[in-house]
Amino acid sequence: GENVEQHPSTLSVQEGDSAVIKCTYSDSASNYFPWYKQELGKRPQLIIDIRSNVGEKKDQRIAVTLNKTAKHFSLHITETQPEDSAVYFCAASIRSSSNTGKLIFGQGTTLQVKP
Amino acid sequence: DAGVIQSPRHEVTEMGQEVTLRCKPISGHDYLFWYRQTMMRGLELLIYFNNNVPIDDSGMPEDRFSAKMPNASFSTLKIQPSEPRDSAVYFCASSSRGTSGTQRGIQYFGAGTRLSVL
Repeated sequence: GENVEQHPSTLSVQEGDSAVIKCTYSDSASNYFPWYKQELGKRPQLIIDIRSNVGEKKDQRIAVTLNKTAKHFSLHITETQPEDSAVYFCAASIRSSSNTGKLIFGQGTTLQVKP
Repeated sequence: DAGVIQSPRHEVTEMGQEVTLRCKPISGHDYLFWYRQTMMRGLELLIYFNNNVPIDDSGMPEDRFSAKMPNASFSTLKIQPSEPRDSAVYFCASSSRGTSGTQRGIQYFGAGTRLSVL
């Protein structure tokens, strides 16, 4: 069945360093890849997404890259700050529902940014 | 729009009791999703609706779980009878198919219901 693998499960960095989280997906028809941030006790919130017609998207300190051939995509956070500490989830759309978003989520990465 | 609204925010009940969780999607959204989140299993899709019709309920763990969407602005997830292993945070999310643009397919989550079954 459809699957999204996310690595690493935990990541600890010093403030100011970069953080990279990687995901692979199994459904070659997937064409929508969002990233969600979930702070402790809060709801998941979309921070950035990418559609398969582009290879990279950037929004201030965060960027996402997509390699459709290899079926993997990555989240890059530069100049990390303590408020970036949270759980990050990647997700991939499932075929025939890419306009609506049945999504398969990765297992999450707990990012800790040390001051 | 106030976003996706879930109630209650917290529910504590005893094993064997019926639990009903409620969700109001964002107005105009035609897809509604119910997720369960636990430390062990992460974020699991339980069921989703399109235009009030259940499309995929393969994630519903067992017959004790049921979900309805009687109209475009309301959905319920019911557990009867509840068991301690049902303790989790249950999220509702909604999205819009749309026809174009960057908003289509984006899922917006409610604040969740934290369920504790004793």
